[in-house]
Amino acid sequence: EPEVTQTPSHQVTQMGQEVILRCVPISNHLYFYWYRQILGQKVEFLVSFYNNEISEKSEIFDDQFSVERPDGSNFTLKIRSTKLEDSAMYFCASKTSNYGYTFGSGTRLTVV
Amino acid sequence: GIQVEQSPPDLILQEGANSTLRCNFSDSVNNLQWFHQNPWGQLINLFYIPSGTKQNGRLSATTVATERYSLLYISSSQTTDSGVYFCAVGTSGSRLTFGEGTQLTVNP
Repeated sequence: EPEVTQTPSHQVTQMGQEVILRCVPISNHLYFYWYRQILGQKVEFLVSFYNNEISEKSEIFDDQFSVERPDGSNFTLKIRSTKLEDSAMYFCASKTSNYGYTFGSGTRLTVV
Repeated sequence: GIQVEQSPPDLILQEGANSTLRCNFSDSVNNLQWFHQNPWGQLINLFYIPSGTKQNGRLSATTVATERYSLLYISSSQTTDSGVYFCAVGTSGSRLTFGEGTQLTVNP
């Protein structure tokens, strides 16, 4: 069964550092997403990406965040200057137009 | 935005018991999924079920879209069923909105 692949699985970073979280969506999917889950809380939407541009973003997705699809396979989330409150599990997801989402296994980001 | 309520918030079962988890949502949707979050934090897709009934082994789900609720049934529960079960809903092309989840603990 096709999978969404995320790397790394864990990342520890110093406050103020830039991090890039990487995802390889399913190859024939057209819609790409990032979600996050702070420990013990529910999963929250960050951003959706379609046709090489952001189609929707939440209030969480401020100027510190950016997304990119640098080539035909990767989809990245960059956090420019990490804060303690950015510590969370970050999930990438992809979908086709007429079926549900497939989520990756997540990247656990810890900001110290 | 769409509101999603899951009940119960916590559920403790003995191995072998059956259970029903409920998800209510506030608006019409055309995407509804049930996920199981395992102890490692992974979100495992259980069902894509915007309407109707589906079964997969010991698990089944029913969504009554006109009444804006979905039910997840777990039969003959096993300890490996423990974890958090999330319902998530959305409309075409838009974000998924997750509920708060049901924390299920199955004791041996």
